[in-house]
Formats: sequence, C-alpha cells, structure tokens
Amino acid sequence: QSVLTQPPSVSGAPGQRVTISCTGSSSNIGAGYDVHWYQQLPGTAPKLLIYGHNHRPSGVPDRFSGSKSGTSASLAIAGLQAEDDADYYCQSYDSSLSSWVFGGGTKLTVL
Amino acid sequence: QITLKESGPTLVKPTQTLTLTCTFSGFSLTASGVGVGWIRQPPGKALEWLALVYWDDDKRYSPSLKSRLTITKDTSKNQVVLTMTNMDPVDTATYYCAHEPYDILTTYYFDSWGQGTLVTVSS
Repeated sequence: QSVLTQPPSVSGAPGQRVTISCTGSSSNIGAGYDVHWYQQLPGTAPKLLIYGHNHRPSGVPDRFSGSKSGTSASLAIAGLQAEDDADYYCQSYDSSLSSWVFGGGTKLTVL
Repeated sequence: QITLKESGPTLVKPTQTLTLTCTFSGFSLTASGVGVGWIRQPPGKALEWLALVYWDDDKRYSPSLKSRLTITKDTSKNQVVLTMTNMDPVDTATYYCAHEPYDILTTYYFDSWGQGTLVTVSS
C-alpha cells in the first residue's frame, strides 16, 4: 500500500490530453512538500519528468506539466504521442514517516 | 554530466547479507546539500525508497527497513555502499541508486538515476 495513491492505469488516443492524479495526506503533499514526477519506459530506470512547482528538466517537452492543490497533485500530458506509453510515478516527502515516498505508479497506454 | 552505476551480486541466498555499491561521476558528495539515495522496485511493482546519505554524512533510512539497512559513503572513491541484512525472497527487486541535488527552490527529489541492478533472493 503506497503512501501516495495513483490510478493504476489511464489511456488516451494520440493527440489527446490525459491527467494522472496523485493523492496524499496532511503529512506529505498537504504539509507543503513538493510533488515530483518520474517516467519509466519499459525495462529502463525512472527518469525525472517534473520537479517542484512545475519545473521540467532540460529536454522534457512542455507537453508535460504538473500542478498541486491541497493534498493532491496531477500530471498532465497534452498532445499524447506513442512514445509517452510508459509508467508514471509521483513522489514527495512525508514528515510523519521521515521518508521519501512514491505513488503506486500509473500505466499510461497510448491507444 | 552525472552518471551512477550500481554493482553487486545478482543472486543471494535467504538470510544472507546483500552489499551493493553505487559508483558515480559528474558530482562530488562533498558538495553542500548533495545526497545519494537507494530505491528498489520488485518485478512489476512500484518504487520504494530505502536509504539516503547526504554530503555531511547525515543518513536517512526507511522506517520499515531501518533495522536491516546501512548506508555509507567513500568520497575518495566516489562510491556509496548499501548493505541489507537477512535477505528474503520478497527482497527480490531491481535496486537503483540516484542523485539528490541541492536545490534552493525545492527538495527531496532524484534528478539522475543509475541503470539499476536486479537482485534475486533464492536458495
């Protein structure tokens, strides 16, 4: 059972926009800790996608964006492309656990 | 350019101790605010944070695994070592090391990851 809750799967057609939610609690997202997002392509290591207040590392397209409100956060992917087919993880810090915490992951299928 | 690479045994027996080494380049673990963490991922499952060591030797551990984990750094070799005692088949996973940067705007994230190493626990 992950501390951060994500939907197991989402899907969309090429060109569409999808969002992936990440729900936490008052000891992590609700406490003001930032939410970060990682993309994991099949058989590869996770890659940082979004960090902090919607910052993108160099090379990440602006089709990817993050937002946060209350105890939840969301990753939005606009103009879906076939190469976006991957697993996505949210991550934050939990003050009650004194731990870095991850969501359970969401499998994005591009139809 | 930051790179990290994990090394260690691919197969360990139940009750044995696992020792993994993360060898990195492109940054120094003496730089203020920098950290190196370990994260694992069982086959087909989610990521789980294990431990992290900071530049000043501050060490953090997952509460659920704290009694079994030890993380150390060797700045002269650019290495971070994780040991996990009393291995069990449920510890079968890909183990990653990752770089936590010093960032004045936000904290507690990993911007570079190693390729990972699969460790199987079986007799």
